[in-house]
Amino acid sequence: GQQVMQIPQYQHVQEGEDFTTYCNSSTTLSNIQWYKQRPGGHPVFLIQLVKSGEVKKQKRLTFQFGEAKKNSSLHITATQTTDVGTYFCARGGGADGLTFGKGTHLIIQP
Amino acid sequence: ETGVTQTPRHLVMGMTNKKSLKCEQHLGHNAMYWYKQSAKKPLELMFVYSLEERVENNSVPSRFSPECPNSSHLFLHLHTLQPEDSALYLCASSQDLLRGEQYFGPGTRLTVT
Repeated sequence: GQQVMQIPQYQHVQEGEDFTTYCNSSTTLSNIQWYKQRPGGHPVFLIQLVKSGEVKKQKRLTFQFGEAKKNSSLHITATQTTDVGTYFCARGGGADGLTFGKGTHLIIQP
Repeated sequence: ETGVTQTPRHLVMGMTNKKSLKCEQHLGHNAMYWYKQSAKKPLELMFVYSLEERVENNSVPSRFSPECPNSSHLFLHLHTLQPEDSALYLCASSQDLLRGEQYFGPGTRLTVT
């Protein structure tokens, strides 16, 4: 499937600071999914966005889907040490499975 | 615990060995997947099964051979692997191909010596 580009690749933040990761596609996305993988763990589904301009919140996490459905973002407010991990966006689904971005590694300094 | 189990969790094998990875899902899902995750590349989809039929093969070398005997079980048979095949192999399942939310197992950490 088509690639999805994620930036940044690494993000160091002080505990309590905010964090944002971005996912971009050159083509329109039918949907975008976000996953979190803790160090030594496996990807865990966070959310799926389907509608243009959609915004969803999960506690300190805010997910957005762009109006053109070509980009998405995940924003974490006031990071905590439990937020450490790699955040992946993924496009597709269906017979092609999911195409994952390379992920953003979030490192939190206490 | 996501309802997807994988065994073994760790495997070391020589290049001439034959081994199998096992995945089992207890979620009643109809679609199952094998992914490869290595340090230098993003998650790579290897195989997709829907209702026990293979629907996708992403140009995976023939030294990897999947098997899906029923909708709850998925195997990955390995033979004559190369050191560059060392990686984390993840199994995932979803309700069906159209509902893409995927549940991953803990993975098998494979080292080929």
